[in-house]
Amino acid sequence: DAGVTQSPTHLIKTRGQHVTLRCSPISGHKSVSWYQQVLGQGPQFIFQYYEKEERGRGNFPDRFSARQFPNYSSELNVNALLLGDSALYLCASSLSGSGSFSSYEQYFGPGTRLTVT
Amino acid sequence: AQSVTQLDSQVPVFEEAPVELRCNYSSSVSVYLFWYVQYPNQGLQLLLKYLSGSTLVKGINGFEAEFNKSQTSFHLRKPSVHISDTAEYFCAVSVPTGGGNKLTFGTGTQLKVEL
Repeated sequence: DAGVTQSPTHLIKTRGQHVTLRCSPISGHKSVSWYQQVLGQGPQFIFQYYEKEERGRGNFPDRFSARQFPNYSSELNVNALLLGDSALYLCASSLSGSGSFSSYEQYFGPGTRLTVT
Repeated sequence: AQSVTQLDSQVPVFEEAPVELRCNYSSSVSVYLFWYVQYPNQGLQLLLKYLSGSTLVKGINGFEAEFNKSQTSFHLRKPSVHISDTAEYFCAVSVPTGGGNKLTFGTGTQLKVEL
């Protein structure tokens, strides 16, 4: 079975532009989470979606938004890009949103490397 | 709020030697604990997890970790490392309340295995 897939792999944008990152979860997984990993640091939680509803939001500005589609894939959107948004953006999927042990096993994709110049 | 501390940013070790990567956490409620490994230019791979039950948890690639509630620690160990274990290791916690499964990560430990 395919794991979590993310597109694109790499992306270069200019300050002030907008970017959309995409994620497809493992088949059967209904929850998707997004994390930002700045070079040299651990991943930071951005959003969690389960059954198309937002289940959690990290400490990120409103320039960051996300959504989940009926097929459980997800998009992360970032507006008005800043140099500090340069990072590896990771998507993780889990069977459900919470409440069962399986919901806490998150499987990560390879990430999208975003460079803002 | 919960937090994770990985005191060692880098751990050099010779091949076939044992290794311990330290992780301490802070939380006012019970937590679930995880170790992830990240190879260069890749995403995170789940090594092992503690959700309940035995405090000694065995994972993939010969790694194990022990949950110590009194010391709020979850150190990762391997009795004999291989060159292929060279990677970044992240400890993470999740709080099983609040309706989500958010992970809070430490800053990572770079394990460098040398011949």
